[in-house]
Amino acid sequence: EIVLTQSPGTLSLSPGERATLSCRASQSVSSNYLAWYQQKPGQAPRLLIYGASSRATGIPDRFTCSGSGTDFALTISRLEPEDFAVYYCQQYLTTPFTFGPGTKVDIK
Amino acid sequence: EVQLVQSGAEVKKPGESLRISCQGSGYSFTNFWITWVRQMPGKGLEWMGRINPSDSYSNYSPSFQGHVTFSLDRTISTAYLQWSSLKASDSAMYYCARHSRPNSDFDSWGQGTLVTVSS
Repeated sequence: EIVLTQSPGTLSLSPGERATLSCRASQSVSSNYLAWYQQKPGQAPRLLIYGASSRATGIPDRFTCSGSGTDFALTISRLEPEDFAVYYCQQYLTTPFTFGPGTKVDIK
Repeated sequence: EVQLVQSGAEVKKPGESLRISCQGSGYSFTNFWITWVRQMPGKGLEWMGRINPSDSYSNYSPSFQGHVTFSLDRTISTAYLQWSSLKASDSAMYYCARHSRPNSDFDSWGQGTLVTVSS
């Protein structure tokens, strides 16, 4: 099973600031079989990024991703009020598909 | 518009059986795998497994194998998650989601079904 680790656990920032979230895999997630999801309280998760760097439909370009192999990062260039949420990375290279524990981005 | 609509919240007793549903619309139901995800209160997301609506083939996560069963009714574009004997530890929110391709991300999610198991 591929274990995903996310850091930090919580990121406290102000609107307009830049957020960088990290996701590390216990083994290589080749061909970038990695996705990122956003979840707000009381809502279902929403796909943000797939294939490690491609934005899903309707996702603004302030969300970007980088990385390959075992180390990936999600960057939110300038935080908008609606971006404060929990973010999960997920690998779909091999089953069981696994999620990271999440990074909560909250308002400082 | 692609939509996955899940059945409503359930309150059950330990040992009871339960089946929750996930109905797809706005797309060809048999062309996209359905995955199930558990979220326990205040916790993260756990992948339970998936089912292929075209042939009913299922993958289960080892953590859930033998405790839950996936099934389908293609005539009404619906996937099901069922338990034969619930435990208190099954209390959680359960989401269905659609794979955009067979081994891929989950591009559309249901609204979730809250299951509460309590004596």
